[in-house]
Amino acid sequence: AQSVAQPEDQVNVAEGNPLTVKCTYSVSGNPYLFWYVQYPNRGLQFLLKYITGDNLVKGSYGFEAEFNKSQTSFHLKKPSALVSDSALYFCAVRDIRGGATNKLIFGTGTLLAVQP
Amino acid sequence: GAVVSQHPSWVICKSGTSVKIECRSLDFQATTMFWYRQFPKQSLMLMATSNEGSKATYEQGVEKDKFLINHASLTLSTLTVTSAHPEDSSFYICSALLRWGAGNQPQHFGDGTRLSIL
Repeated sequence: AQSVAQPEDQVNVAEGNPLTVKCTYSVSGNPYLFWYVQYPNRGLQFLLKYITGDNLVKGSYGFEAEFNKSQTSFHLKKPSALVSDSALYFCAVRDIRGGATNKLIFGTGTLLAVQP
Repeated sequence: GAVVSQHPSWVICKSGTSVKIECRSLDFQATTMFWYRQFPKQSLMLMATSNEGSKATYEQGVEKDKFLINHASLTLSTLTVTSAHPEDSSFYICSALLRWGAGNQPQHFGDGTRLSIL
């Protein structure tokens, strides 16, 4: 079954500290993984993706994510958090059920709160 | 690049009214658009996949006669909530893909429409 899990509803971090938002996945075959961020009353903004290649993927706004096949994880990271990073973060995996498709399966989201 | 515009941002209307939401890709042609619904503090629920020039594919449990989707051009898809009732109140978000079959491409999202039915 295709699924993605975000085990933490909320992550709290102090400004300037490193942050990690966790994501694990379950797919058959090679996963296409994505991270999106959502600010209040807004749509989702694409941060980064892993398709193939280097396990460490760099994205927008200083974010990066590490693909770990053995742990089936794709955690989002940033070396130094900013208050403006406070938002809702979604991990997603491409849904390949039913043949060729571009549908995404989203995790439940993690609220990141960065304290000044 | 890859800007998706969604209109309107907010809609407040009376029960029984039909509401149309537009989703436009401003700087690219989108062969596929998706419509999502998001409840407070919850994830996105895919409602339907809209392909240009063909009928939309609805997810299980989504009433196609309730949520009419039209994708008449490569830059515009519309979602019409027919005879809306308070339980239809939600945040509706669209997204667009540059082209079908490119599973490695991200979806580009609009800013959503907050629908409140009184």
